[in-house]
Amino acid sequence: KQEVTQIPAALSVPEGENLVLNCSFTDSAIYNLQWFRQDPGKGLTSLLLIQSSQREQTSGRLNASLDKSSGRSTLYIAASQPGDSATYLCAVGSGGGADGLTFGKGTHLIIQP
Amino acid sequence: GAVVSQHPSRVICKSGTSVKIECRSLDFQATTMFWYRQFPKKSLMLMATSNEGSKATYEQGVEKDKFLINHASLTLSTLTVTSAHPEDSSFYICSAAGLRDTQYFGPGTRLTVL
Repeated sequence: KQEVTQIPAALSVPEGENLVLNCSFTDSAIYNLQWFRQDPGKGLTSLLLIQSSQREQTSGRLNASLDKSSGRSTLYIAASQPGDSATYLCAVGSGGGADGLTFGKGTHLIIQP
Repeated sequence: GAVVSQHPSRVICKSGTSVKIECRSLDFQATTMFWYRQFPKKSLMLMATSNEGSKATYEQGVEKDKFLINHASLTLSTLTVTSAHPEDSSFYICSAAGLRDTQYFGPGTRLTVL
């Protein structure tokens, strides 16, 4: 059974810092991996999707990498801003569109102004 | 594009009543939709996979007779929580599988059972 772990569980940093969020998964036979943002009491906003054949994806100040063989992904946030404060979730898809995603517990990020 | 809506966004009900939550893909057809549940400070857990025109597939530990899923069209799936109890209070989120198997998530429904 796939298990997804996110480290750290919480992180508080001053505005402007570059930071890295980590995600690991136990079964490397994945179809894709997604990073989401969740604001308190809200739904999910998809940030980046990495297919199993890809190594990384970039969108603005966000960069996500995938090392499938080692079961790891990182989300890099450059020049953090207070508006980046949220919970960041890593989710792994294992069976294409036919299977649901397995989520980590998330990293609760606070960017101090 | 690829917008998924959920209704209602928030519902409060008495213990013992049934609650229906709708999940709609607004601008694409989805043969497969998924239902997740998120308890406070916990991660999202997959409850069931909903396939248009066929029975839903439930994850281990999820009672199919309590959480009724109907996927009657390519744009609508419904989750009915029957005889709801306070322990069913949670955040329910659906997703719909779109192009390249990307899942698009709805905004979620906050269920509170008194």
